[in-house]
Amino acid sequence: GQQVMQIPQYQHVQEGEDFTTYCNSSTTLSNIQWYKQRPGGHPVFLIQLVKSGEVKKQKRLTFQFGEAKKNSSLHITATQTTDVGTYFCAGYRIEAAGNKLTFGGGTRVLVKP
Amino acid sequence: DGGITQSPKYLFRKEGQNVTLSCEQNLNHDAMYWYRQDPGQGLRLIYYSQIVNDFQKGDIAEGYSVSREKKESFPLTVTSAQKNPTAFYLCASTPGEGGYGYTFGSGTRLTVV
Repeated sequence: GQQVMQIPQYQHVQEGEDFTTYCNSSTTLSNIQWYKQRPGGHPVFLIQLVKSGEVKKQKRLTFQFGEAKKNSSLHITATQTTDVGTYFCAGYRIEAAGNKLTFGGGTRVLVKP
Repeated sequence: DGGITQSPKYLFRKEGQNVTLSCEQNLNHDAMYWYRQDPGQGLRLIYYSQIVNDFQKGDIAEGYSVSREKKESFPLTVTSAQKNPTAFYLCASTPGEGGYGYTFGSGTRLTVV
């Protein structure tokens, strides 16, 4: 079945530094979504990427969808303490048996002030 | 404000008991989903429903049951057949099938005592 892997599992970042988290799917995706879950909270939808090679920005966050539509990345610049949380990617695939959104295991981000 | 309401926030269950988790949305969304999240893990799909009076099993449906008698409501019953029910349960919804970001409720933390 479809698998979505995220690396790294944990990311310790000094405040002010940049970092990138990566998402890889075993199958070609129709779209990819990114979510953020604060500690003790629930996932909140951040963005969706649909086109091959698509790049979208949200303030300090840059999201990219790979050319083959099997991988994605999230880059955060000038990390702040408000960026603490777990970032999940989720790959959406259209299948005959039913469309499916599969979540990766997440990258847990810890920020050192 | 529109959203998804999950109740209760915390739930304690004795072994051998069935418990029902409530999920209500006022977003007029057609599709609703139940996910399970274990500590430090991603989200795994339990059941989903694209329309009233219809639902499908997800990846980990064993030991769970659902109903969708109303568009707004998608309750999840954790039965005694679920051998390891302690987890964080998240309900989500989308306007329809495909290409939408998921809106999540605040979740229910279930603990077996």
